Amino acid sequence: GAGVSQTPSNKVTEKGKYVELRCDPISGHTALYWYRQSLGQGPEFLIYFQGTGAADDSGLPNDRFFAVRPEGSVSTLKIQRTERGDSAVYLCASSLRSAGGGETQYFGPGTRLLVL
Amino acid sequence: GENVEQHPSTLSVQEGDSAVIKCTYSDSASNYFPWYKQELGKGPQLIIDIRSNVGEKKDQRIAVTLNKTAKHFSLHITETQPEDSAVYFCAAFLRGTSGSRLTFGEGTQLTVNP
Repeated sequence: GAGVSQTPSNKVTEKGKYVELRCDPISGHTALYWYRQSLGQGPEFLIYFQGTGAADDSGLPNDRFFAVRPEGSVSTLKIQRTERGDSAVYLCASSLRSAGGGETQYFGPGTRLLVL
Repeated sequence: GENVEQHPSTLSVQEGDSAVIKCTYSDSASNYFPWYKQELGKGPQLIIDIRSNVGEKKDQRIAVTLNKTAKHFSLHITETQPEDSAVYFCAAFLRGTSGSRLTFGEGTQLTVNP
């Protein structure tokens, strides 16, 4: 079946602008994660949804970052007043559920964000 | 929170040789340890994982070992092929009071020379 998809694949914006990044998880997966990956580093956790609610948003760097998942499927990561330091690859992952034992997370191809 | 360290950062081997990548984690409550392969311009792809109640797992040329006492786990790739060249990430899953998350290592750039 289809994997996790993310749009756009690339986004170039100017400092101070607002951007939205979209994630379509694998059908039926209730858990959805956002990560940020800077060049040469591993992905860093941003936020985790279980269903429609943000179960853990402690990884969001500041209040310019916000994410929603209104119907428990598609999620949108929103960044206000973008800064050059926000340039990175934003990865989305989904899993069947997030139980205490850990579930396999399947990643999308990422959105490469460049803030000029 | 959890902290994962990964070594080496780069690894170059000849085709057919074995490659070993090692990771350590800090929180003994972590209970799930996946390994991901990431090719240039793509998202991480799961290649193997291990849970804390198992000491070793093997899938064809790939194996992972886990030492809970020492809090370290390793990836072993045998009979390496040029298509194994990529960046490999280890990760540890921790369920805490603030939620559940994967913490990743910094990655290992593996190059397999033909």
